[in-house]
Amino acid sequence: AQSVTQLGSHVSVSEGALVLLRCNYSSSVPPYLFWYVQYPNQGLQLLLKYTSAATLVKGINGFEAEFKKSETSFHLTKPSAHMSDAAEYFCAVRGQGGNKLVFGAGTILRVKS
Amino acid sequence: SAVISQKPSRDICQRGTSLTIQCQVDSQVTMMFWYRQQPGQSLTLIATANQGSEATYESGFVIDKFPISRPNLTFSTLTVSNMSPEDSSIYLCSVASVRDEQFFGPGTRLTVL
Repeated sequence: AQSVTQLGSHVSVSEGALVLLRCNYSSSVPPYLFWYVQYPNQGLQLLLKYTSAATLVKGINGFEAEFKKSETSFHLTKPSAHMSDAAEYFCAVRGQGGNKLVFGAGTILRVKS
Repeated sequence: SAVISQKPSRDICQRGTSLTIQCQVDSQVTMMFWYRQQPGQSLTLIATANQGSEATYESGFVIDKFPISRPNLTFSTLTVSNMSPEDSSIYLCSVASVRDEQFFGPGTRLTVL
């Protein structure tokens, strides 16, 4: 079985500051991990994915995430926040060979000018 | 990535009625899924829509309440039956790509009065 915990339901950063959104996972099999972003009144957009290749994964819009097996973490970072990054971010996990995505509770990112 | 459309984009319905949501994909896909996102919450998988056979439902979801059709590899419908206010949610369909990614439609925002 898989599960995801996102620490912090709300994160607030200043424009230009580092963005760090935390995700810890639990999986009984080697995991595939994903980050999605949801802008207000829109569907989910895939930011990046980890599928057992490189542990540092680069995604769209300057985001990246590092898979750390020892810490069972897959935190999302961006060096410099932009106002347009304000959205809700979801971490998700599924087992290799499976199809069911299990989502975390989501983190709402607020960017202050 | 696949382009996914959903109809309707939103609806307001009366208690006890049913609503059918359509999901259309611009390419043939093997795996299609239906998710529910209740207000302020994360996504929960309702079922996997299988082409040519019955849908596979997750724990807590039943066919009588959420009948699903999958007549071909580009189309699926989800019906929310005998609705109550607790069914007010965003319903999203998604498809799995051959690259181990899931792409989501824009969602159908349902309000039940």
